[in-house]
Amino acid sequence: DAGVIQSPRHEVTEMGQEVTLRCKPISGHNSLFWYRQTMMRGLELLIYFNNNVPIDDSGMPEDRFSAKMPNASFSTLKIQPSEPRDSAVYFCASSPRGFPTDTQYFGPGTRLTVL
Amino acid sequence: QKEVEQNSGPLSVPEGAIASLNCTYSDRVSQSFFWYRQYSGKSPELIMSIYSNGDKEDGRFTAQLNKASQYVSLLIRDSQPSDSATYLCAVNIGQGAQKLVFGQGTRLTINP
Repeated sequence: DAGVIQSPRHEVTEMGQEVTLRCKPISGHNSLFWYRQTMMRGLELLIYFNNNVPIDDSGMPEDRFSAKMPNASFSTLKIQPSEPRDSAVYFCASSPRGFPTDTQYFGPGTRLTVL
Repeated sequence: QKEVEQNSGPLSVPEGAIASLNCTYSDRVSQSFFWYRQYSGKSPELIMSIYSNGDKEDGRFTAQLNKASQYVSLLIRDSQPSDSATYLCAVNIGQGAQKLVFGQGTRLTINP
């Protein structure tokens, strides 16, 4: 079975450019999560969706970040404009039922470098 | 106070010994607790989950939870070099919610 799929795996861009990260959750999973990982701040939840609806976006750093989930099999995280401090590994994860006890399954991540 | 705290290590343990990893959390209503393992350059993967006070064993791994002390731990018996990784403690924050807060992680090295 395919796990969580993320693209691109690596992205290098210049400050001020728009960046779009993509995620395909595991088929049949109801919840999708976007995380960011840096050495300084560790793994932080940015936003999560249940049944395609955003539930908690309190971790989104600022208005430059936006996330959408137009259907059950696709989500995007957009940064516009990007800044060097956005450089991090961005993980997408999905879970099956929307319960607090659910395991979250992580994708391989997108390593973003903003120059 | 951070919501989830771990000793960042590094923790060095000889092969075959028991590795003990600890985590404390601040939200008294937390109900779900997870240990994830992350190899360098890879994504986190679930090792153990625990929801009730006491011990839960799975092979060489034992998770321990004490809600009164707001403390959760992971024991790895018969440590192997392949156990060398960063271990992340994650706690569900908010009753009924799926939000996980992760600790900074403990880097574990098993020495042959």
